[in-house]
Amino acid sequence: ETGVTQTPRHLVMGMTNKKSLKCEQHLGHNAMYWYKQSAKKPLELMFVYNFKEQTENNSVPSRFSPECPNSSHLFLHLHTLQPEDSALYLCASSQVLASGGSNTQYFGPGTRLTVL
Amino acid sequence: TQLLEQSPQFLSIQEGENLTVYCNSSSVFSSLQWYRQEPGEGPVLLVTVVTGGEVKKLKRLTFQFGDARKDSSLHITAAQPGDTGLYLCVGLWGNTGKLIFGQGTTLQVKP
Repeated sequence: ETGVTQTPRHLVMGMTNKKSLKCEQHLGHNAMYWYKQSAKKPLELMFVYNFKEQTENNSVPSRFSPECPNSSHLFLHLHTLQPEDSALYLCASSQVLASGGSNTQYFGPGTRLTVL
Repeated sequence: TQLLEQSPQFLSIQEGENLTVYCNSSSVFSSLQWYRQEPGEGPVLLVTVVTGGEVKKLKRLTFQFGDARKDSSLHITAAQPGDTGLYLCVGLWGNTGKLIFGQGTTLQVKP
């Protein structure tokens, strides 16, 4: 496997279900991200992990819970979601430089989530 | 709040036509990137522009970064159905690595 992989690709869940999204990067990067992509809205950054430490949480509801066990894997645990949480959830990785500068994101194919 | 206004949001054209997508902001960016996202896939980086006034070409795609590094454009010559997708401009703000995303332009090229 190369690049960034995400599973599952599609997920349908009820509001009372608990599910998890998985992301794996094979690029040796030190940072991983979760984004939410909804129709006609800019990509929304949800969480950032840098060297396995969460460095950013953009006011995401607690029904979304991220987990980063190591620099290659990232999970998004979902529980008691709402229909408005239906969206494409994208994982990305990048190599963040200490000096800042270009931060190219390498995206996975996404998980299309539908909450009934 | 840093914003990137992308226009148009939707564009449907015939094969062979030319088009330009714009990305504008009141903020100055260290660099600006263009991504293309095809249906069912994640965004893929097309180009990064860094210097004010810079022009980069990728086959039929021409990217320009404004002199003041606040805006950018993507011009496609003789569009092909394979160009269909969502085009995203992404600005890198300051030295923090913070990315600012435009809303995206959905391009449909009909054969």
